[in-house]
Amino acid sequence: DAEITQSPRHKITETGRQVTLACHQTWNHNNMFWYRQDLGHGLRLIHYSYGVHDTNKGEVSDGYSVSRSNTEDLPLTLESAASSQTSVYFCASSSAGASYNEQFFGPGTRLTVL
Amino acid sequence: AQKITQTQPGMFVQEKEAVTLDCTYDTSDPSYGLFWYKQPSSGEMIFLIYQGSYDQQNATEGRYSLNFQKARKSANLVISASQLGDSAMYFCAMREVSNDYKLSFGAGTTVTVRA
Repeated sequence: DAEITQSPRHKITETGRQVTLACHQTWNHNNMFWYRQDLGHGLRLIHYSYGVHDTNKGEVSDGYSVSRSNTEDLPLTLESAASSQTSVYFCASSSAGASYNEQFFGPGTRLTVL
Repeated sequence: AQKITQTQPGMFVQEKEAVTLDCTYDTSDPSYGLFWYKQPSSGEMIFLIYQGSYDQQNATEGRYSLNFQKARKSANLVISASQLGDSAMYFCAMREVSNDYKLSFGAGTTVTVRA
């Protein structure tokens, strides 16, 4: 069965370190998204990609970067982790085009920055 | 401006009763879609139901139905015959064609089903 996976599921890091969160999907979806979830804010979009070599900034992109070298993967990098980036991170994917295409979510990564 | 507003941070419902979760949205795009997702305590996001802006009928999926009132810009989720397993956080989200098909989420509503 097709799926979307994230690793690690839990991560503790220190302020200033570079951290990369992995996202891998086997749906063969063109669209991939990274969100962060914080209490009271729902999910907020960090970065997204509509295909290989395409990346775009979301509403909370500062301090994060992504790259898309193939269809399956969209790693999220925190260049210099800050305590404000402690959050739960979700990766999602969807097929291209129509507005009714649902997004499929990964299980999430809980990141703690000390 | 907030695109999706969920005004009920938490709700309690008795088992086997129906519950309505409120969602209002803000858009000037005539073409958009509305989604509801469920997030149980285990953390995963589960797609429940979709309503398109041009759909004439309210969407239904099993015990879930969406009360779509376009003029009022509301898309309330109705869960009928609540079960203990319905206890979760519920998110309303919108995708606008003019916004590159990105999803905008509300802050969520926590539902607790009591036996």
